[in-house]
Amino acid sequence: QVQMVQSGAEVKKPGASVKVSCKASGYIFPDYGVSWLRQAPGEGLQWMGWISAYNGHTNFHPKFRDRVTLTTDTSATTAYMELRSLRSDDTAVYYCARDHDYGSGGYTDFAFWGQGTLVTVSS
Amino acid sequence: VLTQSPGILSLSPGERATLSCRASVSFSSNYFAWYQQKPGQAPRLLIYGVSNRAGGVPDRFSGSGSGTDFTLTISRLEPEDFAVYYCHQYGIAPFTFGGGAKVDIK
Repeated sequence: QVQMVQSGAEVKKPGASVKVSCKASGYIFPDYGVSWLRQAPGEGLQWMGWISAYNGHTNFHPKFRDRVTLTTDTSATTAYMELRSLRSDDTAVYYCARDHDYGSGGYTDFAFWGQGTLVTVSS
Repeated sequence: VLTQSPGILSLSPGERATLSCRASVSFSSNYFAWYQQKPGQAPRLLIYGVSNRAGGVPDRFSGSGSGTDFTLTISRLEPEDFAVYYCHQYGIAPFTFGGGAKVDIK
């Protein structure tokens, strides 16, 4: 079965960077893209960006384009999200989620989610 | 922008729940979904493509709508259905979610 397993919680200081991993299993990794989303405490969901696991093509929310890097490692079947210049309002649970369908190009709902990674930004 | 209403719905088990989501622009595609989220858990996909139930989702959940108005209906609330529900459009980037609607026990 499809599984997305994320790395553990992180505590960072303002201005630092964080890199969250998302290990995928149960499917052919290059066939589906991976999106990243976040949810601040008590708030709703926000889509951050998407990466094709086939060719590395990305699509970003304008709010995050300058601070986020998305990568994949096909041999490790793992996707990564790095967020730079952290601020206190970046404190949130970060989720990875796999494309629902093959060939969606990022225009997808999310049937398969990671468990979430809490990133806390505090001085 | 997706606006969900009501923000909180207080109902009893067995009752019908109707959750609305209104978009600020009209969608010509059917790239619209609904999720359920319980505390401490990742969201769970319920409905995709406006009206298609995701795998394993009970048939008491149904989705409908077009253009700017979309609806999630839970025909008879079960105890496990009390949760927060989010609508989601994935037809126009950047993809967006509604602010959420909580269904709690009356």
